[in-house]
Amino acid sequence: GESVGLHLPTLSVQEGDNSIINCAYSNSASDYFIWYKQESGKGPQFIIDIRSNMDKRQGQRVTVLLNKTVKHLSLQIAATQPGDSAVYFCAETVSGAGSYQLTFGKGTKLSVIP
Amino acid sequence: KAGVTQTPRYLIKTRGQQVTLSCSPISGHRSVSWYQQTPGQGLQFLFEYFSETQRNKGNFPGRFSGRQFSNSRSEMNVSTLELGDSALYLCASSFSQGGRTDTQYFGPGTRLTVL
Repeated sequence: GESVGLHLPTLSVQEGDNSIINCAYSNSASDYFIWYKQESGKGPQFIIDIRSNMDKRQGQRVTVLLNKTVKHLSLQIAATQPGDSAVYFCAETVSGAGSYQLTFGKGTKLSVIP
Repeated sequence: KAGVTQTPRYLIKTRGQQVTLSCSPISGHRSVSWYQQTPGQGLQFLFEYFSETQRNKGNFPGRFSGRQFSNSRSEMNVSTLELGDSALYLCASSFSQGGRTDTQYFGPGTRLTVL
């Protein structure tokens, strides 16, 4: 697909299992983080976000965990479904100045086995 | 509420030409950002506009430029196209009022191929 890099890490999970996608971010000053899902031929779709004053945030079937000590972010997807197959990106930014740019990770391709 | 729209969706140009891409943000959003996505480099920030002013710029050559209109619609222009400019160009909009960092919502992108 258009969004897939040549050497993306790939995670294959069985339908119904839980998925965990990890991301190491680079800037210790980053205080706002977003997970995006990108399906082939589409733009990134917002999944969930978290600010640095939190270490966990839950959405519908998704949970984001933030560990600022080791600069690590994870996305947990419960009861993974075939429709979850996509490339997942984490993005970081330093907020508060009004203007910001997102710095994206390389992405992880999630393949759900029916 | 309609999402971010980008036109055209696909574009084929030859080296040396220039191209203009258009983006209409979500209604009420005043911040528009542009990103380039390639298999090798991933998603990279180009620039961000707010109230017709460029607030931030990524590390791209001056051939890449943009502007924003009073209705928040934005265009980006690439002059003297090179083969390496072939990419998916993504536009994202956010509310971004009062200095608060808000979620950026992306459009479907414009696939540019330079021959």
